[in-house]
Amino acid sequence: DAKTTQPPSMDCAEGRAANLPCNHSTISGNEYVYWYRQIHSQGPQYIIHGLKNNETNEMASLIITEDRKSSTLILPHATLRDTAVYYCIVIPTGANNLFFGTGTRLTVIP
Amino acid sequence: DVKVTQSSRYLVKRTGEKVFLECVQDMDHENMFWYRQDPGLGLRLIYFSYDVKMKEKGDIPEGYSVSREKKERFSLILESASTNQTSMYLCASSRETSGPYEQYFGPGTRLTVT
Repeated sequence: DAKTTQPPSMDCAEGRAANLPCNHSTISGNEYVYWYRQIHSQGPQYIIHGLKNNETNEMASLIITEDRKSSTLILPHATLRDTAVYYCIVIPTGANNLFFGTGTRLTVIP
Repeated sequence: DVKVTQSSRYLVKRTGEKVFLECVQDMDHENMFWYRQDPGLGLRLIYFSYDVKMKEKGDIPEGYSVSREKKERFSLILESASTNQTSMYLCASSRETSGPYEQYFGPGTRLTVT
């Protein structure tokens, strides 16, 4: 399975864009990139996923580099409620598991 | 709105007790999952189910069993609770068509076994 590397923590000013990087240099062709987040004392929340094209939904945008070795999750206008641990996950086709690493702890500052 | 509910947020049980954790989803999802989450160990899959009355072992099924009699309900059973089963238990569900990875989680049950 491809492993991911994320910075342990980041701060972002409220109202600004939060850009969360993820390296997955060993990703293979059929592996998707998924992003989840976990707010303190809550269950994880699915955010977005992609294979090779950039994706956008009501929560965030996902930018995947052309070589697919890294990606960036963008929260366009961070709010205090976006303070959470963000997990970047690479999942091969056919896997049953979601494996969360240590993620990035994002703190949105007023 | 997507909804996964779990029967309790906090539970305290004694060693040797039989423990039932209930999970209900209202999204008509085919797939359901039970995880436990521990500091430093991340999320670990205990059991999952792709259909009513079907179950598959995950990575750490020992000491647990599951039951899925109805599509919307997936129960986790600790046959004889032990202190090393003290953990946060998370239930999740997903649609068949989106694969098992776009999962919707419940709020979790923090179980303490004394």
